[in-house]
Amino acid sequence: TQLLEQSPQFLSIQEGENLTVYCNSSSVFSSLQWYRQEPGEGPVLLVTVVTGGEVKKLKRLTFQFGDARKDSSLHITAAQPGDTGLYLCAGSQGGSEKLVFGKGTKLTVNP
Amino acid sequence: DAGITQSPRHKVTETGTPVTLRCHQTENHRYMYWYRQDPGHGLRLIHYSYGVKDTDKGEVSDGYSVSRSKTEDFLLTLESATSSQTSVYFCAASGGDYGYTFGSGTRLTVV
Repeated sequence: TQLLEQSPQFLSIQEGENLTVYCNSSSVFSSLQWYRQEPGEGPVLLVTVVTGGEVKKLKRLTFQFGDARKDSSLHITAAQPGDTGLYLCAGSQGGSEKLVFGKGTKLTVNP
Repeated sequence: DAGITQSPRHKVTETGTPVTLRCHQTENHRYMYWYRQDPGHGLRLIHYSYGVKDTDKGEVSDGYSVSRSKTEDFLLTLESATSSQTSVYFCAASGGDYGYTFGSGTRLTVV
């Protein structure tokens, strides 16, 4: 059973389009993180959200943590080819340092 | 800023041989982790450490052991490699502020 479900699994769009990827669970998380991974490299942390309803913006990326702290979304405005990569959400429960990862959304932005 | 260094980056080994993967951090982080990443499964925790000589099992620990004799080094050993252990292995470290720093990974092939 996958604790964190990410959707869609694959997404291919044209440069300039907007997109949203989702990270859902039936469990409550004390924090949720989003990472981006490029081929041949390890994941790189984009953001951490810890408060239900929290919204964080990182340039063209907007991250939201659900009110009940069970889900999160990542919205990218005006996608660029440089946004191409595997987007992973990860959550911690009960203050634990251990993270559980979703399987990821593979995003391709075509020029 | 090396952060997390994994060695080797690539390795091909024969079934039944022992293999040790190395992870070195320059961040002085307390927590360190070993994950494996496989298509369809995402990142799965093998073992983790919460301090020198303090380690515990993750969700896929069978066939793996770890050691941490210094804060900066975390070793993963496959006692007798099997083909099912062909994977990409990632080391990560965290300092208790929710964010992980990952290494660039080791691609291991067991033939």
